[in-house]
Amino acid sequence: LAKTTQPISMDSYEGQEVNITCSHNNIATNDYITWYQQFPSQGPRFIIQGYKTKVTNEVASLFIPADRKSSTLSLPRVSLSDTAVYYCLVGDDFGNEKLTFGTGTRLTIIP
Amino acid sequence: KAGVTQTPRYLIKTRGQQVTLSCSPISGHRSVSWYQQTPGQGLQFLFEYFSETQRNKGNFPGRFSGRQFSNSRSEMNVSTLELGDSALYLCASSFASGIGEQYFGPGTRLTVT
Repeated sequence: LAKTTQPISMDSYEGQEVNITCSHNNIATNDYITWYQQFPSQGPRFIIQGYKTKVTNEVASLFIPADRKSSTLSLPRVSLSDTAVYYCLVGDDFGNEKLTFGTGTRLTIIP
Repeated sequence: KAGVTQTPRYLIKTRGQQVTLSCSPISGHRSVSWYQQTPGQGLQFLFEYFSETQRNKGNFPGRFSGRQFSNSRSEMNVSTLELGDSALYLCASSFASGIGEQYFGPGTRLTVT
């Protein structure tokens, strides 16, 4: 199972773009990269998933370099409601591995 | 469509007792995963069931067990409760096994006294 490493915490001001990077040096060929967001006392919520290059949806973008050993979640123009813990996961879609959420990155948005 | 539901939402038990938690996945989802979340250990994977079969299991003692029924509903059981089992237990469902998008329930907050 590919292990992931993320910063423990980050602060940002409202209106700025926030980039959270995740390292996954041992990512396997069949692995995808998925990001979740979690608010206190709630279950995590899926944000975005990608395999390579760039993926964008209505809430975030995911940048994955060619070697796929890292990925960056980009949140445009953050607001106070984006204060949460963000988790990066790596795994395949065959269900052969248990999914490890890691410690996540606690993002705090400052007004 | 209705989301993942978990019952009960809150539970207080005494050491040595056992507890059963229930999870109803989103209609059509066949995979159900269980997680334990504590302030100290974070979000830890317990096990995953897919079409009534356990696909994966995390590093938890045998006191933690689960099952899945033919309608994809799942239960997890913890026997001989310990103080350290106090946690938020989250259930997540997805259409397929693996790293596909998971939908989490609100969780069951278990307190062991």
